[in-house]
Amino acid sequence: DTAVSQTPKYLVTQMGNDKSIKCEQNLGHDTMYWYKQDSKKFLKIMFSYNNKELIINETVPNRFSPKSPDKAHLNLHINSLELGDSAVYFCASSQGTSGNTIYFGEGSWLTVV
Amino acid sequence: GQNIDQPTEMTATEGAIVQINCTYQTSGFNGLFWYQQHAGEAPTFLSYNVLDGLEEKGRFSSFLSRSKGYSYLLLKELQMKDSASYLCAVPINSGNTPLVFGKGTRLSVIA
Repeated sequence: DTAVSQTPKYLVTQMGNDKSIKCEQNLGHDTMYWYKQDSKKFLKIMFSYNNKELIINETVPNRFSPKSPDKAHLNLHINSLELGDSAVYFCASSQGTSGNTIYFGEGSWLTVV
Repeated sequence: GQNIDQPTEMTATEGAIVQINCTYQTSGFNGLFWYQQHAGEAPTFLSYNVLDGLEEKGRFSSFLSRSKGYSYLLLKELQMKDSASYLCAVPINSGNTPLVFGKGTRLSVIA
């Protein structure tokens, strides 16, 4: 069973489109995250949610809107896609917010053309 | 804020030992993590150090010195499958994840 699963795995879309990436975890964790890994492989935190509430937003453009319908799901919606949004987006989860191991999903490869 | 520094690339021979260093500066310390990431895959957890000293786990060991802001990951009996990026990470502040990652060290194991 996949612990943190995200869909789609690959996404190619045109500039200006709106797209969503879904994420679900079955670990019973109460904290979920979105990370972005760019072409230089730098893994950077975007958002952190604890029990469906946003606790960290690392200066991400407001074209990116995360939504957490329950603590097992954290979806990422991106409006008006730009070329620079091309990256791998990783969903992740952990139990609690203090010094606990983060587990990553398999990643979603987004290419904006 | 957090500042994490690790070498960009390293090459080592199959069967050898390699040490990957990481230095960090944080506004508060709540442990240091090492993750492994193979090309095209997600990062996977390797180790967590919160106290000074060496933690051994099979072929992999991780060391921490809080006073020096320094950690290393030691890989013994290198295998070709150990070719990957190794990411050093610390929590974003003393009380909270998420983790802030270094830029990773890409290790190439050669025959």
